[in-house]
Amino acid sequence: GAVVSQHPSWVICKSGTSVKIECRSLDFQATTMFWYRQFPKQSLMLMATSNEGSKATYEQGVEKDKFLINHASLTLSTLTVTSAHPEDSSFYICSASGANYEQYFGPGTRLTVT
Amino acid sequence: QKEVEQNSGPLSVPEGAIASLNCTYSDRGSQSFFWYRQYSGKSPELIMSIYSNGDKEDGRFTAQLNKASQYVSLLIRDSQPSDSATYLCAVLYSGAGSYQLTFGKGTKLSVIP
Repeated sequence: GAVVSQHPSWVICKSGTSVKIECRSLDFQATTMFWYRQFPKQSLMLMATSNEGSKATYEQGVEKDKFLINHASLTLSTLTVTSAHPEDSSFYICSASGANYEQYFGPGTRLTVT
Repeated sequence: QKEVEQNSGPLSVPEGAIASLNCTYSDRGSQSFFWYRQYSGKSPELIMSIYSNGDKEDGRFTAQLNKASQYVSLLIRDSQPSDSATYLCAVLYSGAGSYQLTFGKGTKLSVIP
């Protein structure tokens, strides 16, 4: 149980284009999902908290107009990186929250912007 | 500011030994604590959760919590090379109708065959 999927697992895009990443909880409903970013050899950085049916809450320093989050159902949240630049290249990981506030992570999406 | 502190390591232990990973946190009101394992290039995987003072055992893993000392630890018995990974301590902080996990920077464990 508690399986979270992400798609795509890796993506390469050109600078200036947009990329959408999907996060799905496969065997449970998640009212809250989280989006993290991790640069090489660094710790996880929370970008935003996504609640089903409402606007996401972004962490300080994260541009909400650049990182668009939609949580339209209890099993799906999406992160769209708009007008991507090379400095946006990173490992993006979503998580979904279970019954006791445990977070289950997706496998991550490695984004490379050329 | 909510903080979670871990020794970054690397912590090296021989195969078969006990690995001890430690974590301290700043918010005395925290109630939920988690240990995650992250292999290089992969996402974190939940291995233990603990909510009450004392020990919680699951196979070769034992989590220990001392809320008075604001300290949580993870013991790995009979360490195997496959346990080599970065271990992340996470503390749940909640308030004003929202909650989030704050992660430590992780301790890198290396189990030497």
